[in-house]
Amino acid sequence: DQQVKQNSPSLSVQEGRISILNCDYTNSMFDYFLWYKKYPAEGPTFLISISSIKDKNEDGRFTVFLNKSAKHLSLHIVPSQPGDSAVYFCAASVQGAQKLVFGQGTRLTINP
Amino acid sequence: EAQVTQNPRYLITVTGKKLTVTCSQNMNHEYMSWYRQDPGLGLRQIYYSMNVEVTDKGDVPEGYKVSRKEKRNFPLILESPSPNQTSLYFCASSLWPGQGEEAFFGQGTRLTVV
Repeated sequence: DQQVKQNSPSLSVQEGRISILNCDYTNSMFDYFLWYKKYPAEGPTFLISISSIKDKNEDGRFTVFLNKSAKHLSLHIVPSQPGDSAVYFCAASVQGAQKLVFGQGTRLTINP
Repeated sequence: EAQVTQNPRYLITVTGKKLTVTCSQNMNHEYMSWYRQDPGLGLRQIYYSMNVEVTDKGDVPEGYKVSRKEKRNFPLILESPSPNQTSLYFCASSLWPGQGEEAFFGQGTRLTVV
């Protein structure tokens, strides 16, 4: 059972525009949500996170929104830059648990 | 520099030949884990360790073994590799995933079993 789902395998956005990556989850017990970015031939790197007690967290060009009632989170990148082209994974964890649960990933391509 | 180091980066082996993928971290993290990445499935946890001599199964542990004899090292062992273990493997370490702490990943090991 996929507890964290990223239903868009790929997304293409023009440079300078907003990129919106979506993630849905089924486990209402998740307390933390994280986004990771992965370039080819590299390991994932942490991008931004949000606690379930918040509905928004912002870090420069990156903002994550959490809608607990819809069990949905999204990552907004504004403005999008060519270096943002990568695979993005959302992940979730339960307080006190020993694991991160990852989504399938979304490949973002920023076109010049 | 904070680092998780995996070796080798690439490995082609034959069915049944035992292999070990090493993982080492320099951040004094207690928590380490192994993931495999497969197309359309994202990252799935194989095994994790909460501290020295404390390991447990993740979501897809079949065919794998791990050990944690030292805090910094967490090797992944495939006693008898099979073609369905062809995958991209990542080692990760963190302070504690249950507190929303970010995980640091190695660069990955691409394994092909023929």
